[in-house]
Amino acid sequence: ETGVTQTPRHLVMGMTNKKSLKCEQHLGHNAMYWYKQSAKKPLELMFVYNFKEQTENNSVPSRFSPECPNSSHLFLHLHTLQPEDSALYLCASSQDRDSQGTQYFGPGTRLLVL
Amino acid sequence: QKEVEQNSGPLSVPEGAIASLNCTYSDRGSQSFFWYRQYSGKSPELIMSIYSNGDKEDGRFTAQLNKASQYVSLLIRDSQPSDSATYLCAVKVLVIQGAQKLVFGQGTRLTINP
Repeated sequence: ETGVTQTPRHLVMGMTNKKSLKCEQHLGHNAMYWYKQSAKKPLELMFVYNFKEQTENNSVPSRFSPECPNSSHLFLHLHTLQPEDSALYLCASSQDRDSQGTQYFGPGTRLLVL
Repeated sequence: QKEVEQNSGPLSVPEGAIASLNCTYSDRGSQSFFWYRQYSGKSPELIMSIYSNGDKEDGRFTAQLNKASQYVSLLIRDSQPSDSATYLCAVKVLVIQGAQKLVFGQGTRLTINP
């Protein structure tokens, strides 16, 4: 799906590392989202940005720090992660947070924390 | 009670038969409903969206919505092996201050047997 891109696609990091995930959408949307998908668990919403403003932080630990410099780009900064943070991290975008519009997902970043 | 519930499966259906996937939700005020398909190791992709009671057909896929009973279903006619995937039901729910968020079920794993 080229509408929403994510880099890197795979990431292995130690618990003391600092890394960042990047998401870019080319759909002209105004809302962007970070989700976490762990094995055998439903997709968990982490953060929501609507018109560049963070509107939701779903009780996410502070070792995850989002950044949204504009409506097309979204970052997730990672530091001092734990092995249980290993998961697929998905970015999504939609027209805006409150419309009926569909959310479109990027390909995800598969993260492994050692 | 979970906000969105699905039978996790696995659901096995012979090739050419109809696959029926069900989902119930708890928020009576929900107005937007989505079915996503997720292949192993890939991100979710939108199959159908439905907003009104009744049936909505798109090719081999039919979404059915019954707001009074709070369930939404997805029928796949003439099932093909390529339909084998996990199907995610998603419902937009209202949160405080008029904001909405998309809540996902845990997904139903569907296997089409040749």
